[in-house]
Amino acid sequence: QKEVEQNSGPLSVPEGAIASLNCTYSDRGSQSFFWYRQYSGKSPELIMSIYSNGDKEDGRFTAQLNKASQYVSLLIRDSQPSDSATYLCAVNMRGQNFVFGPGTRLSVLP
Amino acid sequence: EPEVTQTPSHQVTQMGQEVILRCVPISNHLYFYWYRQILGQKVEFLVSFYNNEISEKSEIFDDQFSVERPDGSNFTLKIRSTKLEDSAMYFCASSDIGTSYGYTFGSGTRLTVV
Repeated sequence: QKEVEQNSGPLSVPEGAIASLNCTYSDRGSQSFFWYRQYSGKSPELIMSIYSNGDKEDGRFTAQLNKASQYVSLLIRDSQPSDSATYLCAVNMRGQNFVFGPGTRLSVLP
Repeated sequence: EPEVTQTPSHQVTQMGQEVILRCVPISNHLYFYWYRQILGQKVEFLVSFYNNEISEKSEIFDDQFSVERPDGSNFTLKIRSTKLEDSAMYFCASSDIGTSYGYTFGSGTRLTVV
């Protein structure tokens, strides 16, 4: 069974803090990893992709990948109320499709 | 920025009726996908389509579902005889080089089966 797991939250952080979102996946052979942001009632929006072990930074976002531990994380620095959304971890587990996690709901408090 | 366009945004249908959900992928993209999300649940893969044929499908994508690219721009999902449990948001997505670099989702069609 191909699974992607995330804490459902809600994760509440104060404005300006670092939000840390975590994801684990079951297929050790997975090669591509993505973070999507989904506002309520909207479609998922791609914010980060990562393919190699280590960190990848893009603005306030940093994705971290550890394939040995089958673990992906997303850090959001200087969190803003507009970052309040559900963050979906998606993994390409060989094949054409993504397996999505259940999402972590982030709430950034002003 | 190029967009994936989906119509209608919301469709209400009676159980047992056929529905067609429409998508216009980004023009130079070659790979097309349908996903669905039941309210409060995960985004789930339905089907991928490349070179005018299904390349992969999930267990959800049974004989009640079909996809078609009737012309050079549209990509449709048909549900032949809708059930109450088909009520969900249906997302179309497209990409230019497969899944390796992520893909762009459309805004979705909310299907309500009554």
